[in-house]
Amino acid sequence: QQQVKQSPQSLIVQKGGISIINCAYENTAFDYFPWYQQFPGKGPALLIAIRPDVSEKKEGRFTISFNKSAKQFSLHIMDSQPGDSATYFCAASENTGKLIFGQGTTLQVKP
Amino acid sequence: DGGITQSPKYLFRKEGQNVTLSCEQNLNHDAMYWYRQDPGQGLRLIYYSQIVNDFQKGDIAEGYSVSREKKESFPLTVTSAQKNPTAFYLCASRDSTARKEQFFGPGTRLTVL
Repeated sequence: QQQVKQSPQSLIVQKGGISIINCAYENTAFDYFPWYQQFPGKGPALLIAIRPDVSEKKEGRFTISFNKSAKQFSLHIMDSQPGDSATYFCAASENTGKLIFGQGTTLQVKP
Repeated sequence: DGGITQSPKYLFRKEGQNVTLSCEQNLNHDAMYWYRQDPGQGLRLIYYSQIVNDFQKGDIAEGYSVSREKKESFPLTVTSAQKNPTAFYLCASRDSTARKEQFFGPGTRLTVL
């Protein structure tokens, strides 16, 4: 019940295309859903986050879509660029602040 | 320049040795976390601390120990009891009063020789 399942494991997108990464959870007590971006050899950096009282949040080219009834949320990267090539992690937490991470998605954007 | 620092960046350990990884933050965050990252497995929580002089086990605490004597510091010791310690270790901190996000340090890559 504490798991967060992330798919796909890897993704290849052409420059200018849309990258979509999906996550699903079981624990209805989760109330914070961040996405992190990680480059090789670096620590993860927060990209965008959402709380379950909204269905969508957009920041620049990055959008989170949230479906509370289905217990799913996704990251959309519009106009994907080679510089977006990285590993993306979804996560979920409840009020303790502990984050449960998905397995990660390695994104490659081809020029 | 605020942030989280981890040292060393690379660490090599012989089997049977204990090693300590450093994590320092100057963000005045009260909560601090240690994660382990293995290829294809995401990040797994080792230990966390919400206040000074208190800490809790995460999902994979066996073979690790921590201390939290100062708000700014949360060192992690990888003991000889940890069977497979080669991994990338990440420290994070959070302002729990404001429910803000976790900020991560740059990581320490530990290799057992």
